[in-house]
Amino acid sequence: DGGITQSPKYLFRKEGQNVTLSCEQNLNHDAMYWYRQDPGQGLRLIYYSQIVNDFQKGDIAEGYSVSREKKESFPLTVTSAQKNPTAFYLCASSPFPLRETPRVQFFGPGTRLTVL
Amino acid sequence: DAKTTQPPSMDCAEGRAANLPCNHSTISGNEYVYWYRQIHSQGPQYIIHGLKNNETNEMASLIITEDRKSSTLILPHATLRDTAVYYCIVRVDDYKLSFGAGTTVTVRA
Repeated sequence: DGGITQSPKYLFRKEGQNVTLSCEQNLNHDAMYWYRQDPGQGLRLIYYSQIVNDFQKGDIAEGYSVSREKKESFPLTVTSAQKNPTAFYLCASSPFPLRETPRVQFFGPGTRLTVL
Repeated sequence: DAKTTQPPSMDCAEGRAANLPCNHSTISGNEYVYWYRQIHSQGPQYIIHGLKNNETNEMASLIITEDRKSSTLILPHATLRDTAVYYCIVRVDDYKLSFGAGTTVTVRA
């Protein structure tokens, strides 16, 4: 059953602790993304990766870090430097662009992080 | 970068067609229009995309005006499970989808 998995669904952490959110895809997609969503808001891009061992900052990368050691995995670490980490985190992936499918992104179910 | 304008909310009767409008008057010639929806507390779900021609798949139809300044997503027979926030997106660059506030669609029995 192909898709994108994010774990855990709910995560609670104390303030000042780093936390790593998992994202795995078995769709053989080359690009992966991390977005953040706050209540009633749209999605904002944190980081994205086009290929293994390469990634770029999105609009709100401060306080976050990522790695892309394997094509199927793109974990996100929320560090203590992130001032307001409580949010809904979404991982996405997309295949190599073709004329008919330019860069359609497919999303995982999300991880809701609450920092106490 | 092209922006989109959508109505904040709309209601639809179950079993009827839902027509969701989107304005994107500053769209560039090579920018696609994408539609996603998000059911509460879930990840966004891809629905359909188009460039110039009208498109149809198992979920919906996308009608793009000839000048490409607006489009309409059509859900042919809305069900209660179609209640969600629907996002119309025009690609800003090759890697970022810019989600606005979207249209909250409520399907009523």
